Amino acid sequence: GAVVSQHPSWVICKSGTSVKIECRSLDFQATTMFWYRQFPKQSLMLMATSNEGSKATYEQGVEKDKFLINHASLTLSTLTVTSAHPEDSSFYICSARLLGEDTQYFGPGTRLTVL
Amino acid sequence: DAKTTQPPSMDCAEGRAANLPCNHSTISGNEYVYWYRQIHSQGPQYIIHGLKNNETNEMASLIITEDRKSSTLILPHATLRDTAVYYCIVRSSLNSGGSNYKLTFGKGTLLTVNP
Repeated sequence: GAVVSQHPSWVICKSGTSVKIECRSLDFQATTMFWYRQFPKQSLMLMATSNEGSKATYEQGVEKDKFLINHASLTLSTLTVTSAHPEDSSFYICSARLLGEDTQYFGPGTRLTVL
Repeated sequence: DAKTTQPPSMDCAEGRAANLPCNHSTISGNEYVYWYRQIHSQGPQYIIHGLKNNETNEMASLIITEDRKSSTLILPHATLRDTAVYYCIVRSSLNSGGSNYKLTFGKGTLLTVNP
């Protein structure tokens, strides 16, 4: 149980285009999902916290108009990187918290490369 | 969240127990100790968590000192597939009254299991 999937697992796009990444909790309902970013040889950095049916809470320094988050259901959250630039190239990872529990379970990550 | 201190790297022989230490001297009474690991280019994997008592599951054991200022994650019989970065994180519980479920990742310990 507690499986989180992400799609796509990797994506290459041109500078200026937008990319959508999906995060799904496969066998449980997740009231809260989190989006992290990890640059090479660095640790995970939280970007935003997403609660189902409400606006996401972004961490300081993360542009909410650039990283659009939608959490329309208890099993799906999406992150859209708008007008992507090469500096947005990173490993994007989502996690989901089980309803009524503290533990976060992570997806496998999405490798974004912006040319 | 309280800060944690972990050694940057450790080595362990295959088949032997791996003991990973973590200092969290500023932990408060309602904060749990969580352990995750991240295998290269994958999302973090939940291992175990605890509050005061020692915990054991199918993956590992968690030993928390009586004063709760430090803990040790024990992998009883390390295999090559246990090579990963191990993160020790402390955070508030769901019932603490706060809404902060964030996990703050430090640099972790790179455990290398050698044949």
